[in-house]
Amino acid sequence: SQQGEEDPQALSIQEGENATMNCSYKTSINNLQWYRQNSGRGLVHLILIRSNEREKHSGRLRVTLDTSKKSSSLLITASRAADTASYFCATTRRTGNNRLAFGKGNQVVVIP
Amino acid sequence: GAGVSQSPSNKVTEKGKDVELRCDPISGHTALYWYRQSLGQGLEFLIYFQGNSAPDKSGLPSDRFSAERTGGSVSTLTIQRTQQEDSAVYLCASSLGTSGQTQYFGPGTRLLVL
Repeated sequence: SQQGEEDPQALSIQEGENATMNCSYKTSINNLQWYRQNSGRGLVHLILIRSNEREKHSGRLRVTLDTSKKSSSLLITASRAADTASYFCATTRRTGNNRLAFGKGNQVVVIP
Repeated sequence: GAGVSQSPSNKVTEKGKDVELRCDPISGHTALYWYRQSLGQGLEFLIYFQGNSAPDKSGLPSDRFSAERTGGSVSTLTIQRTQQEDSAVYLCASSLGTSGQTQYFGPGTRLLVL
């Protein structure tokens, strides 16, 4: 089964509102990363949180990690129309070669 | 440029033909990864290079798929005798190493097999 299954898969919000996405995984991880994808092309790295961290901030982004529940959340505050994209979480295992296991992704639409 | 580049951006081919997809990683990045994104399967790992060697090919879907990397830099993913189910976006990523470093992705190659 796939690691990193985000919930919900589609989110539509008004500009200025906050957007929250969740991600769950099944195995022990080394780190968890969030990526953004526009128009089905390249992935843009947003933030990385290590397995020994619980929360991380980067600009308007806030990521939490709960290793006991094997879950993570991504919060985008004060959303903008430019935040409209698909968001993916991806995990790497403690052992291995750093290959990423992706979830299904969240489609976020921010309405101006 | 400073980022990962891939070529071509788009490729349309006929079933049964061979295709080559190219990836130029960020200079100095020793690790290089190929992923595939399709509607039915999402984002899947294909193969990983450390330098010029490929210690993990476990994601390649069939023996029609192969990849090589030369000079610790450019990588080529080759698909022989393409099938319609090979249609997908092929993404390349590179990282400084394999100890949890961030992977940086290229823009991808959109492959359509008719």
